Amino acid sequence: EAGVVQSPRYKIIEKKQPVAFWCNPISGHNTLYWYLQNLGQGPELLIRYENEEAVDDSQLPKDRFSAERLKGVDSTLKIQPAELGDSAVYLCASSPDSYYNEQFFGPGTRLTVL
Amino acid sequence: KNEVEQSPQNLTAQEGEFITINCSYSVGISALHWLQQHPGGGIVSLFMLSSGKKKHGRLIATINIQEKHSSLHITASHPRDSAVYICAVMVTSGSRLTFGEGTQLTVNP
Repeated sequence: EAGVVQSPRYKIIEKKQPVAFWCNPISGHNTLYWYLQNLGQGPELLIRYENEEAVDDSQLPKDRFSAERLKGVDSTLKIQPAELGDSAVYLCASSPDSYYNEQFFGPGTRLTVL
Repeated sequence: KNEVEQSPQNLTAQEGEFITINCSYSVGISALHWLQQHPGGGIVSLFMLSSGKKKHGRLIATINIQEKHSSLHITASHPRDSAVYICAVMVTSGSRLTFGEGTQLTVNP
């Protein structure tokens, strides 16, 4: 069974440019998470989807960050415009549903903003 | 104060040594996870615990619910065990994982 797929794996952009990350969760998983991980720290939740509905986006900086999960499968996280402080690893995870205690993580996208 | 605290932050060991990483939490939980993260970012789940002890190969995880403490042990450590080990808890009041800051383990040959 394929795991969580993310692309790109690495992205380097200049500040003020837009950037987008893509995530394909494990087939059949209804819950999808986007996390931000700064260097030397644990992941922090940005947004959680139940199917196509964003049920927890309280930590998402909505002035520059947006996300969507059309049709409740793949998801895209966008930053526009990117700032130097956005350099981090962006992790996607999925689980069968919110009540399932285990989450399955993708390899992450490492973003560098110059 | 973070809800999940790990110690030590960094750990260097010689191949073959017995290693212990500790995790303390301050909230009620339904489960505790130990995760492994290698350079490159991907996270792999090692254990999910709600009570007692679990063992997988050279890895052992224990949890004491009353003391709100968990430990991850690695027996006969090997350089390939070098990674960041992260403790995360699923808080009983919600469906969000709360992560510790991780322990960077380096095992030298």
